[in-house]
Amino acid sequence: DGGITQSPKYLFRKEGQNVTLSCEQNLNHDAMYWYRQDPGQGLRLIYYSQIVNDFQKGDIAEGYSVSREKKESFPLTVTSAQKNPTAFYLCASRRTVLLGGYTFGSGTRLTVV
Amino acid sequence: AQTVTQSQPEMSVQEAETVTLSCTYDTSESDYYLFWYKQPPSRQMILVIRQEAYKQQNATENRFSVNFQKAAKSFSLKISDSQLGDAAMYFCAFRIFTGNQFYFGTGTSLTVIP
Repeated sequence: DGGITQSPKYLFRKEGQNVTLSCEQNLNHDAMYWYRQDPGQGLRLIYYSQIVNDFQKGDIAEGYSVSREKKESFPLTVTSAQKNPTAFYLCASRRTVLLGGYTFGSGTRLTVV
Repeated sequence: AQTVTQSQPEMSVQEAETVTLSCTYDTSESDYYLFWYKQPPSRQMILVIRQEAYKQQNATENRFSVNFQKAAKSFSLKISDSQLGDAAMYFCAFRIFTGNQFYFGTGTSLTVIP
């Protein structure tokens, strides 16, 4: 079955460490997205990519980095510059057609310890 | 700037009854799409229903329907014959016609009372 796989489901980070969240899709979708979800704030866009080797900053890109070397993969690195990284992270993808909605992964819960 | 507002942080409904979740949005664009997503306790986001702004007819998916009022910039979700499995966080979302970014509201937590 096609879908989006995010791993790991839970991730713990020590202060000052960089961590990478994985997002893989086998839907042949062109566009991929990373969102951060905090209680009471809905989903906020971190980065998105429409094609391989190209990506754009979203509303809260500071302290995060991404790469898009393959169409199927869009990993997110949470760097030590991100001061409040504890959150739930959702990856999404969509076909770049007019009415295309998102398909979401199951998310990664990141906690700083 | 595009914004989406869900003014009801929490709602509850008796099983088998009907509930309406509110959503308003603000945009200067005339062509756009609107979506409702459901996030159950598993936190997997699921598309419930979507509406093209140029269509006057309200979208319907089984027990889920919308009331789209373009002039008022309102996009409410009606859930009929509520079931226990409908309990979830519901997010309203918006995307302009040629845009890539979705804009989400802050969500409404729906409780279904047996």
